[in-house]
Amino acid sequence: AQTVTQSQPEMSVQEAETVTLSCTYDTSESDYYLFWYKQPPSRQMILVIRQEAYKQQNATENRFSVNFQKAAKSFSLKISDSQLGDAAMYFCAYRRQGGKLIFGQGTELSVKP
Amino acid sequence: EPEVTQTPSHQVTQMGQEVILRCVPISNHLYFYWYRQILGQKVEFLVSFYNNEISEKSEIFDDQFSVERPDGSNFTLKIRSTKLEDSAMYFCASSTDRDQPQHFGDGTRLSIL
Repeated sequence: AQTVTQSQPEMSVQEAETVTLSCTYDTSESDYYLFWYKQPPSRQMILVIRQEAYKQQNATENRFSVNFQKAAKSFSLKISDSQLGDAAMYFCAYRRQGGKLIFGQGTELSVKP
Repeated sequence: EPEVTQTPSHQVTQMGQEVILRCVPISNHLYFYWYRQILGQKVEFLVSFYNNEISEKSEIFDDQFSVERPDGSNFTLKIRSTKLEDSAMYFCASSTDRDQPQHFGDGTRLSIL
């Protein structure tokens, strides 16, 4: 069975600094998708970024980028120039082709002014 | 930007009662999902729905639960004989096809008393 592990329950970053959130996963599939979702205190689930496993190039979305290491089954999220509005719970998620989302336990990110 | 809409935002129900959670997926989306998040825990998959039938369900989704698309716009989750442990945030999500990102609604907070 596929699993997703986020080993950092909490992280903290100074405003304008860079922070990296870690995620590892386990799967025997070769084609799959990886996602980072943000959940602010309002409890919405907001898609931040996604990566297709067949793509070697790391995905980027403005200040958000990933470091996808397929062989190591690692998928970290880097947030550059952190802003107060980035404070939230961040969930890493895996999905095989056509399948359900499997979430990690989440990392609570706080941003200090 | 089109959104997934969930109603109500908060539902309080007596244990043993039936509850229906409602979702309006994005209009051109064909795949629908329910997830739940017990307070302080990770998001868990419940069920996926396509072409008017369940395509996948988790072990959580037992006979107590059912889903329906009663018309062209709504997608509902019914929970019969609610239990205290059903208290959670329930998220609806939809996607255009099974390999596209799932877009989440804001969730319904279900409180069972």
